[in-house]
Amino acid sequence: DQQVKQNSPSLSVQEGRISILNCDYTNSMFDYFLWYKKYPAEGPTFLISISSIKDKNEDGRFTVFLNKSAKHLSLHIVPSQPGDSAVYFCAASREGFGNEKLTFGTGTRLTIIP
Amino acid sequence: ETGVTQSPTHLIKTRGQQVTLRCSSQSGHNTVSWYQQALGQGPQFIFQYYREEENGRGNFPPRFSGLQFPNYSSELNVNALELDDSALYLCASSTRLPYNEQFFGPGTRLTVL
Repeated sequence: DQQVKQNSPSLSVQEGRISILNCDYTNSMFDYFLWYKKYPAEGPTFLISISSIKDKNEDGRFTVFLNKSAKHLSLHIVPSQPGDSAVYFCAASREGFGNEKLTFGTGTRLTIIP
Repeated sequence: ETGVTQSPTHLIKTRGQQVTLRCSSQSGHNTVSWYQQALGQGPQFIFQYYREEENGRGNFPPRFSGLQFPNYSSELNVNALELDDSALYLCASSTRLPYNEQFFGPGTRLTVL
């Protein structure tokens, strides 16, 4: 049972344009969501997060949007840069001690075309 | 501030053998989680340790076991290795707070022949 889904295995975007990565979840108990970026031969690197009390969180070029009714979140990268080429994982968890495990999607490989 | 480190980087074992993977948590973090990432998949939660006790376990058989030490470093042990255990094993450390961010090490690539 895939509780966190990233339906696009890959995405190519021109440098300078907006990259939009999507993620859907099925478990309504999830209330904290994170995006990680992963380069080959490295562990995932935390990028940005959002709790369910918000619908938007920004950090520089990165913005995450959360639509709780649709159980959908998206990551926007503007403007896209060649260094953004990586695999992006969406992850979800539940608040509270003992519920800190992360449930990951299968990832989207983003390629920025110079 | 030292990040999460893991050893070894790569490991090759044969079916039926046992393996121990090691992780040092980031300074100030008291919780360690282990994940298995198979090729083309997202990381799958194995278990988590807090103050030397297991605090939650994913859908993995008992031959996957772990330890956490007083300095918060951790080990993952896998007995009776199977071919499907070939994967990248990731360790992540965090503080025990709601809305936590987990910080990952570079992983150990295990190949079972």
